[in-house]
Amino acid sequence: DAGVTQSPTHLIKTRGQQVTLRCSPKSGHDTVSWYQQALGQGPQFIFQYYEEEERQRGNFPDRFSGHQFPNYSSELNVNALLLGDSALYLCASTLGTTSYNSPLHFGNGTRLTVT
Amino acid sequence: AQSVTQLGSHVSVSEGALVLLRCNYSSSVPPYLFWYVQYPNQGLQLLLKYTTGATLVKGINGFEAEFKKSETSFHLTKPSAHMSDAAEYFCAVSSTGRRALTFGSGTRLQVQP
Repeated sequence: DAGVTQSPTHLIKTRGQQVTLRCSPKSGHDTVSWYQQALGQGPQFIFQYYEEEERQRGNFPDRFSGHQFPNYSSELNVNALLLGDSALYLCASTLGTTSYNSPLHFGNGTRLTVT
Repeated sequence: AQSVTQLGSHVSVSEGALVLLRCNYSSSVPPYLFWYVQYPNQGLQLLLKYTTGATLVKGINGFEAEFKKSETSFHLTKPSAHMSDAAEYFCAVSSTGRRALTFGSGTRLQVQP
């Protein structure tokens, strides 16, 4: 049973560029959330997708956007990259949006470096 | 608003010694509380969670945590540390039913032989 898979594992971009990160949720999960983890910090919630709609959003600018596809996979897009966007981006999946009986499962993340 | 404070960014213990990682939370409503572990170059793995009911929660790998409402704490303990416990540990809180977690800044646990 495949868990949460993220691609690519590493990425190097230049300031001002745009980037797309991809996530496939664990089998049976329908909800995907994205987190940003800066070096030495805890993860910060970016947004959550359920039924192909953004359901909740953290304190991130509009440069961060996402999408969820009918097969529940998801993309995170970041426009106009800044040096401060360098971080590990984690995708987490679960079943539904309200019950904690189905815990979050995290992928191994995409390490984004902006130069 | 909700927040998490983890006291001690680094904790070092000897193998076989008690592990105590501290977590205090702030929440305006009854919280859901979690501990996650992160090994190098990996994602986060759930150790245990408190949602409702019993305040002493047992998790994987011999870890447990106790929810103390009066102290707004959810400290993580393990009676006897193992070398394989060396990792980064994160406490997280959610005050809503929509799963957005607020994480603490983490505690790096080092286990000395």
